Amino acid sequence: AQSVTQLDSQVPVFEEAPVELRCNYSSSVSVYLFWYVQYPNQGLQLLLKYLSGSTLVKGINGFEAEFNKSQTSFHLRKPSVHISDTAEYFCAVRLNNAGNMLTFGGGTRLMVKP
Amino acid sequence: EAGVTQSPTHLIKTRGQQVTLRCSPISGHTSVYWYQQALGLGLQFLLWYDEGEERNRGNFPPRFSGRQFPNYSSELNVNALELEDSALYLCASSFIFGFSGNTIYFGEGSWLTVV
Repeated sequence: AQSVTQLDSQVPVFEEAPVELRCNYSSSVSVYLFWYVQYPNQGLQLLLKYLSGSTLVKGINGFEAEFNKSQTSFHLRKPSVHISDTAEYFCAVRLNNAGNMLTFGGGTRLMVKP
Repeated sequence: EAGVTQSPTHLIKTRGQQVTLRCSPISGHTSVYWYQQALGLGLQFLLWYDEGEERNRGNFPPRFSGRQFPNYSSELNVNALELEDSALYLCASSFIFGFSGNTIYFGEGSWLTVV
């Protein structure tokens, strides 16, 4: 079975500062990796995903993530955050086989302060 | 193109009652997933339907059930509601079962409060 750990439940950061949200996973088979964002009182929106190829993945809103197979990590980064980035961020994995559901981490609340 | 739509958006039920939540997937998507997001418990997988069949089920009691219709829309039913069922119920959809890289798209959710 696969599992996802988001190491920080909350990350406070000042506007225009860089941020990294950490995600580690465990799985006995290869996986696909995803980051979703949930703005207050809304559903989840896909930020980016890693399927194969380049380990650096660029997503929407200036976010990027790097897949590190040896460390089983998929950390999310943004060089300069905005107030509007305040949201809950979820890392998720999906087994690399014929169709399967997403397994989510516990989420990280990013709080951007002016 | 319309996204995943869910109804109702908010509802309040009394403990012991039954509730039905509805979901319409994105056009062309055959897989529908249900997740529960309770306060402090993160996103818990409930059910996955594809082509009208239940493909997988999370660790929830049998009073949580659902179905998928021929038009791929889906219902989630919860019987004998308990206070801890209060949560945001998220429906999601994706293209045909067979490629796990397909993006799963989420709806806005149905907020259920049990009193």
